[in-house]
Amino acid sequence: TQLLEQSPQFLSIQEGENLTVYCNSSSVFSSLQWYRQEPGEGPVLLVTVVTGGEVKKLKRLTFQFGDARKDSSLHITAAQPGDTGLYLCAGVWAGSYQLTFGKGTKLSVIP
Amino acid sequence: DSGVTQTPKHLITATGQRVTLRCSPRSGDLSVYWYQQSLDQGLQFLIQYYNGEERAKGNILERFSAQQFPDLHSELNLSSLELGDSALYFCASRSGDYTGELFFGEGSRLTVL
Repeated sequence: TQLLEQSPQFLSIQEGENLTVYCNSSSVFSSLQWYRQEPGEGPVLLVTVVTGGEVKKLKRLTFQFGDARKDSSLHITAAQPGDTGLYLCAGVWAGSYQLTFGKGTKLSVIP
Repeated sequence: DSGVTQTPKHLITATGQRVTLRCSPRSGDLSVYWYQQSLDQGLQFLIQYYNGEERAKGNILERFSAQQFPDLHSELNLSSLELGDSALYFCASRSGDYTGELFFGEGSRLTVL
């Protein structure tokens, strides 16, 4: 069974702090996406990574895809209350077409 | 606004009942996906339709069924409801079959009492 694990499950930090959340699998991904979901809304795509070692930046968010394409990280610099939400990673495993979501990291940024 | 519309937003019903959730995809999107989100299981893929045809099935129970109509809207039917079916049900659409960004609706929150 292919599993996609995210850590930590919960994270509460002060405004201005940096943080990193992780997404791991024992199997190789052909592509991986990060979504953010706010209460009462559906997930919204932040980024898609497809190449091992790829790094993408979206303002204060930095996404990295592992060299072996089995893991990914999301780093937020100088977190703001507006970053609060559920961060989901979702991957397509090599040889598959379907997108599988992790359970997410629930981030709270305290003013 | 993602362009994906789901109704109803909230639904409260009793065990044993049947409900229908409706989804209108983004204009031009041919693929519709249904997901169930609960606190302990996260976002679970249920089923995908592409241009009216079933494309893939995930962890969908036999008590659940779905269809996509010629106008591309989709309905998810949940029957013989149990307490454990209480969850958020999301519809998502994308333009292609397996590629392209997934756009999610705001979800339908189902509470089974």
